[in-house]
Amino acid sequence: DAGVIQSPRHEVTEMGQEVTLRCKPISGHDYLFWYRQTMMRGLELLIYFNNNVPIDDSGMPEDRFSAKMPNASFSTLKIQPSEPRDSAVYFCASGEDNEQFFGPGTRLTVL
Amino acid sequence: AQSVTQLDSQVPVFEEAPVELRCNYSSSVSVYLFWYVQYPNQGLQLLLKYLSGSTLVKGINGFEAEFNKSQTSFHLRKPSVHISDTAEYFCAVSEPHNDYKLSFGAGTTVTVRA
Repeated sequence: DAGVIQSPRHEVTEMGQEVTLRCKPISGHDYLFWYRQTMMRGLELLIYFNNNVPIDDSGMPEDRFSAKMPNASFSTLKIQPSEPRDSAVYFCASGEDNEQFFGPGTRLTVL
Repeated sequence: AQSVTQLDSQVPVFEEAPVELRCNYSSSVSVYLFWYVQYPNQGLQLLLKYLSGSTLVKGINGFEAEFNKSQTSFHLRKPSVHISDTAEYFCAVSEPHNDYKLSFGAGTTVTVRA
């Protein structure tokens, strides 16, 4: 298996633009997590899914953030409109058997 | 709710010297404990985990950790580090039957010098 795949790896956009981050989890994993990593706040859990259903989105910072998982092999995290304070590395992880496997992350820069 | 404290934000160490990274957790129930490593510009990789059983856990790359329930600690050790161990290390905790949700510590940056 190729592991968790995220795209794009880097994204630079201007304030006010819509940003969509993509994730392909490891096949067969029932759980999918989205995290944000910043110097100030460390690793934060934004939202997670079980069997494609969102279970807990309490970590989503604002209504500007939304996430979907239309099927077991694909998830998106969308920010609309983006702001400079959204600049961070966003990780997707998929999980089974009490273990999470992380993707390489998307480094987002909002100018 | 569970939480994790990593007591050292930065640990400089010379090559071939031992290193210990300290981690304490708080939880009202039994826990699962993890150490992850993040190399520059990469995602997190699992080093080792404690779910149950022996309190001494061995992981990849020569790392090991010891679960101490009375002290609520899960310190990570390596007897002899290499330059390639330069990375950020995260301690994390989850609770059984809680959907594998992880709470992470703030991280410890290990810099290995020749």
